[in-house]
Amino acid sequence: DAGVTQSPTHLIKTRGQQVTLRCSPKSGHDTVSWYQQALGQGPQFIFQYYEEEERQRGNFPDRFSGHQFPNYSSELNVNALLLGDSALYLCASSLVSGEQFFGPGTRLTVL
Amino acid sequence: AQRVTQPEKLLSVFKGAPVELKCNYSYSGSPELFWYVQYSRQRLQLLLRHISRESIKGFTADLNKGETSFHLKKPFAQEEDSAMYYCALRANFGNEKLTFGTGTRLTIIP
Repeated sequence: DAGVTQSPTHLIKTRGQQVTLRCSPKSGHDTVSWYQQALGQGPQFIFQYYEEEERQRGNFPDRFSGHQFPNYSSELNVNALLLGDSALYLCASSLVSGEQFFGPGTRLTVL
Repeated sequence: AQRVTQPEKLLSVFKGAPVELKCNYSYSGSPELFWYVQYSRQRLQLLLRHISRESIKGFTADLNKGETSFHLKKPFAQEEDSAMYYCALRANFGNEKLTFGTGTRLTIIP
């Protein structure tokens, strides 16, 4: 089991563009959470998906949206990119209320 | 609202010396507290959680509700302990959101 995988590893976009990040959970996990980690900061919770629905959301604008597929994989979409969206985006998978296992992250740079 | 504070961004300790990484939290209810670690070129991973009350890699952490603290301690530092450490809080069971502190980079001096 490769654990949680994320793609792509790195991404460069320009302001105003849209981006989609992908996450495959650890085998057997049904819940996916997304976090944003800005430079020098701890991860900040964006939202969590369970049974293909957004179960909980952090303090992020509607430009951040997501999706979970029947195979439990997930996507994070960010519209109208701002410079401040530059960060490491982490995906974590778990069973509901269980330990969260983190992926390696996707480094997004907005120019 | 919940908040986690790690007052030290950087901490350097000699090998064999005791280690203490500080974590204070703000939350009105009964939280779950965690320590996560990220070794060089590795992903973030759970080190320990307060409800398990176990020692992992020689590290322990005790939840002090009176002082709202969850400091991470190890009596004798080892070189392989060098890493980034994050304290995190989960508001209550079933609430999945983890609130992280800003992290402490621990360097063990040989």
